[in-house]
Amino acid sequence: DQQVKQNSPSLSVQEGRISILNCDYTNSMFDYFLWYKKYPAEGPTFLISISSIKDKNEDGRFTVFLNKSAKHLSLHIVPSQPGDSAVYFCAASSQGGKLIFGQGTELSVKP
Amino acid sequence: DAMVIQNPRYQVTQFGKPVTLSCSQTLNHNVMYWYQQKSSQAPKLLFHYYDKDFNNEADTPDNFQSRRPNTSFCFLDIRSPGLGDAAMYLCATSGRRDEQFFGPGTRLTVL
Repeated sequence: DQQVKQNSPSLSVQEGRISILNCDYTNSMFDYFLWYKKYPAEGPTFLISISSIKDKNEDGRFTVFLNKSAKHLSLHIVPSQPGDSAVYFCAASSQGGKLIFGQGTELSVKP
Repeated sequence: DAMVIQNPRYQVTQFGKPVTLSCSQTLNHNVMYWYQQKSSQAPKLLFHYYDKDFNNEADTPDNFQSRRPNTSFCFLDIRSPGLGDAAMYLCATSGRRDEQFFGPGTRLTVL
Protein backbone atom coordinates (compact mmCIF):
# COMPACT_ATOMS: atom_id res chain seq x y z
CA ASP A 1 0.00 0.00 0.00
CA GLN A 2 1.70 3.14 -1.22
CA GLN A 3 1.11 5.98 1.21
CA VAL A 4 2.80 8.63 -0.92
CA LYS A 5 2.15 8.73 -4.64
CA GLN A 6 3.53 10.77 -7.48
CA ASN A 7 1.30 9.82 -10.38
CA SER A 8 3.28 11.56 -13.10
CA PRO A 9 6.53 9.73 -13.83
CA SER A 10 7.70 12.55 -16.08
CA LEU A 11 7.05 16.19 -16.89
CA SER A 12 8.45 18.37 -19.68
CA VAL A 13 8.39 22.15 -19.42
CA GLN A 14 9.78 25.00 -21.47
CA GLU A 15 12.49 27.16 -19.91
CA GLY A 16 11.03 30.21 -18.19
CA ARG A 17 7.61 28.61 -17.65
CA ILE A 18 6.20 27.19 -14.44
CA SER A 19 6.79 23.56 -13.44
CA ILE A 20 4.19 21.99 -11.19
CA LEU A 21 4.95 18.66 -9.60
CA ASN A 22 2.20 16.89 -7.71
CA CYS A 23 2.10 14.46 -4.83
CA ASP A 24 -0.79 12.72 -3.07
CA TYR A 25 -0.79 10.94 0.26
CA THR A 26 -3.20 8.71 2.11
CA ASN A 27 -2.05 8.83 5.72
CA SER A 28 -3.76 11.65 7.59
CA MET A 29 -1.18 11.31 10.38
CA PHE A 30 1.56 12.76 8.19
CA ASP A 31 2.53 16.15 9.57
CA TYR A 32 5.69 17.05 7.70
CA PHE A 33 6.36 16.99 3.98
CA LEU A 34 9.56 17.40 2.03
CA TRP A 35 10.71 17.62 -1.56
CA TYR A 36 14.03 16.19 -2.66
CA LYS A 37 15.81 16.65 -5.96
CA LYS A 38 18.03 13.99 -7.49
CA TYR A 39 20.49 14.28 -10.33
CA PRO A 40 21.79 11.13 -12.04
CA ALA A 41 24.61 9.42 -10.15
CA GLU A 42 23.97 11.57 -7.06
CA GLY A 43 21.96 11.09 -3.91
CA PRO A 44 18.76 13.05 -3.30
CA THR A 45 19.28 16.56 -1.95
CA PHE A 46 16.81 18.37 0.23
CA LEU A 47 14.94 21.13 -1.55
CA ILE A 48 12.07 22.48 0.55
CA SER A 49 9.69 21.33 3.26
CA ILE A 50 6.38 22.24 4.81
CA SER A 51 4.73 21.50 8.12
CA SER A 52 1.09 20.49 8.23
CA ILE A 53 0.26 23.66 10.16
CA LYS A 54 1.02 25.68 7.04
CA ASP A 55 -0.43 25.64 3.56
CA LYS A 56 2.41 27.33 1.74
CA ASN A 57 6.16 27.66 2.01
CA GLU A 58 8.30 29.61 -0.38
CA ASP A 59 12.04 29.62 -0.99
CA GLY A 60 13.21 31.62 -3.98
CA ARG A 61 11.88 30.04 -7.16
CA PHE A 62 10.43 27.08 -5.24
CA THR A 63 7.06 27.06 -3.52
CA VAL A 64 5.35 24.11 -1.90
CA PHE A 65 1.59 24.12 -1.40
CA LEU A 66 -0.22 21.80 0.96
CA ASN A 67 -3.94 20.99 0.75
CA LYS A 68 -4.66 18.86 3.79
CA SER A 69 -8.29 18.26 3.01
CA ALA A 70 -7.35 16.84 -0.37
CA LYS A 71 -4.20 15.16 1.00
CA HIS A 72 -2.29 16.76 -1.81
CA LEU A 73 0.86 18.78 -2.10
CA SER A 74 2.54 20.39 -5.03
CA LEU A 75 5.89 21.93 -5.83
CA HIS A 76 5.95 24.96 -8.08
CA ILE A 77 9.14 26.06 -9.77
CA VAL A 78 9.02 29.43 -11.46
CA PRO A 79 10.70 30.33 -13.67
CA SER A 80 11.97 26.88 -14.63
CA GLN A 81 15.59 26.58 -15.70
CA PRO A 82 17.41 23.81 -17.60
CA GLY A 83 19.44 23.12 -14.43
CA ASP A 84 16.21 22.16 -12.70
CA SER A 85 16.04 19.02 -14.85
CA ALA A 86 16.19 16.17 -12.36
CA VAL A 87 14.02 13.61 -10.57
CA TYR A 88 11.91 15.12 -7.80
CA PHE A 89 10.75 13.03 -4.87
CA CYS A 90 8.15 14.04 -2.36
CA ALA A 91 8.34 12.51 1.09
CA ALA A 92 6.21 12.59 4.22
CA SER A 93 6.59 11.73 7.87
CA SER A 94 4.53 11.69 11.04
CA GLN A 95 5.81 12.90 14.42
CA GLY A 96 9.43 12.74 13.43
CA GLY A 97 9.20 9.19 12.22
CA LYS A 98 10.67 7.69 9.10
CA LEU A 99 10.24 9.33 5.71
CA ILE A 100 7.93 7.71 3.19
CA PHE A 101 8.91 8.57 -0.36
CA GLY A 102 6.95 8.80 -3.56
CA GLN A 103 8.22 7.16 -6.75
CA GLY A 104 9.56 10.39 -8.18
CA THR A 105 8.78 12.61 -11.16
CA GLU A 106 11.42 13.26 -13.76
CA LEU A 107 11.36 16.91 -14.77
CA SER A 108 12.87 17.97 -18.06
CA VAL A 109 13.22 21.70 -18.71
CA LYS A 110 13.80 22.44 -22.39
CA PRO A 111 15.83 25.52 -23.40
CA ASP B 1 32.40 20.59 3.68
CA ALA B 2 30.30 18.42 5.94
CA MET B 3 28.95 15.51 3.97
CA VAL B 4 27.82 11.93 3.65
CA ILE B 5 30.28 9.69 1.81
CA GLN B 6 29.56 6.28 0.35
CA ASN B 7 32.11 3.77 -0.85
CA PRO B 8 32.38 2.30 -3.31
CA ARG B 9 30.21 4.19 -5.78
CA TYR B 10 29.84 1.09 -7.92
CA GLN B 11 30.07 -2.47 -6.67
CA VAL B 12 29.90 -5.64 -8.70
CA THR B 13 29.50 -8.94 -6.92
CA GLN B 14 28.63 -12.49 -7.82
CA PHE B 15 25.44 -14.25 -6.92
CA GLY B 16 25.78 -15.44 -3.33
CA LYS B 17 29.08 -13.69 -2.61
CA PRO B 18 28.89 -11.46 0.49
CA VAL B 19 29.35 -7.77 -0.04
CA THR B 20 29.76 -4.79 2.30
CA LEU B 21 28.86 -1.22 1.48
CA SER B 22 30.12 1.61 3.64
CA CYS B 23 28.89 5.02 4.62
CA SER B 24 30.61 7.73 6.61
CA GLN B 25 29.48 11.17 7.68
CA THR B 26 31.14 14.32 8.91
CA LEU B 27 27.87 15.91 10.04
CA ASN B 28 27.97 14.31 13.50
CA HIS B 29 24.34 13.29 13.11
CA ASN B 30 22.98 10.73 15.51
CA VAL B 31 20.66 9.00 13.06
CA MET B 32 21.84 7.03 10.04
CA TYR B 33 19.66 5.28 7.47
CA TRP B 34 20.06 2.74 4.69
CA TYR B 35 17.68 2.78 1.72
CA GLN B 36 17.35 0.52 -1.28
CA GLN B 37 16.19 2.12 -4.50
CA LYS B 38 15.33 0.25 -7.66
CA SER B 39 14.70 1.94 -11.00
CA SER B 40 11.65 4.22 -11.11
CA GLN B 41 10.71 3.29 -7.57
CA ALA B 42 10.64 5.16 -4.29
CA PRO B 43 13.63 4.73 -1.99
CA LYS B 44 12.76 1.95 0.44
CA LEU B 45 13.99 2.16 4.02
CA LEU B 46 15.85 -0.97 5.10
CA PHE B 47 16.88 0.06 8.63
CA HIS B 48 18.16 2.93 10.67
CA TYR B 49 20.26 3.62 13.73
CA TYR B 50 19.38 6.16 16.37
CA ASP B 51 22.81 6.40 17.98
CA LYS B 52 23.54 2.74 18.69
CA ASP B 53 19.91 1.66 18.68
CA PHE B 54 19.20 -0.46 15.63
CA ASN B 55 15.75 -0.33 14.02
CA ASN B 56 14.93 -2.87 11.36
CA GLU B 57 12.00 -2.43 9.00
CA ALA B 58 9.58 -5.33 9.19
CA ASP B 59 9.95 -6.27 5.53
CA THR B 60 13.74 -6.02 5.31
CA PRO B 61 15.07 -9.46 4.32
CA ASP B 62 17.30 -11.30 6.79
CA ASN B 63 19.95 -11.28 4.09
CA PHE B 64 20.58 -7.62 4.93
CA GLN B 65 22.51 -6.68 8.06
CA SER B 66 24.01 -3.49 9.34
CA ARG B 67 26.73 -2.35 11.70
CA ARG B 68 27.45 1.03 13.20
CA PRO B 69 30.79 0.90 15.05
CA ASN B 70 30.77 4.63 15.85
CA THR B 71 28.87 7.85 15.11
CA SER B 72 30.66 8.43 11.83
CA PHE B 73 30.44 5.06 10.14
CA CYS B 74 27.70 2.67 9.13
CA PHE B 75 27.95 -0.50 7.05
CA LEU B 76 25.45 -2.49 5.03
CA ASP B 77 26.25 -6.20 4.74
CA ILE B 78 24.46 -8.34 2.19
CA ARG B 79 25.22 -11.90 3.17
CA SER B 80 24.15 -13.74 0.04
CA PRO B 81 23.23 -11.32 -2.73
CA GLY B 82 20.62 -12.43 -5.19
CA LEU B 83 19.83 -10.97 -8.59
CA GLY B 84 16.90 -9.14 -7.02
CA ASP B 85 19.26 -7.25 -4.73
CA ALA B 86 20.76 -5.29 -7.59
CA ALA B 87 19.85 -1.70 -6.84
CA MET B 88 21.12 1.68 -5.73
CA TYR B 89 21.83 1.74 -1.99
CA LEU B 90 21.53 5.11 -0.35
CA CYS B 91 22.85 6.12 3.03
CA ALA B 92 21.36 9.13 4.79
CA THR B 93 21.85 10.94 8.08
CA SER B 94 19.65 13.13 10.20
CA GLY B 95 20.42 15.36 13.12
CA ARG B 96 16.97 16.73 13.67
CA ARG B 97 13.49 15.89 12.80
CA ASP B 98 12.72 14.70 9.34
CA GLU B 99 15.34 16.37 7.17
CA GLN B 100 17.77 13.76 5.90
CA PHE B 101 21.06 14.26 4.10
CA PHE B 102 21.90 11.64 1.51
CA GLY B 103 25.15 10.26 0.20
CA PRO B 104 25.68 9.73 -3.54
CA GLY B 105 24.71 6.08 -3.33
CA THR B 106 26.37 2.80 -4.25
CA ARG B 107 25.08 1.04 -7.34
CA LEU B 108 25.23 -2.70 -6.76
CA THR B 109 25.34 -5.13 -9.67
CA VAL B 110 24.89 -8.85 -9.02
CA LEU B 111 26.18 -11.22 -11.71
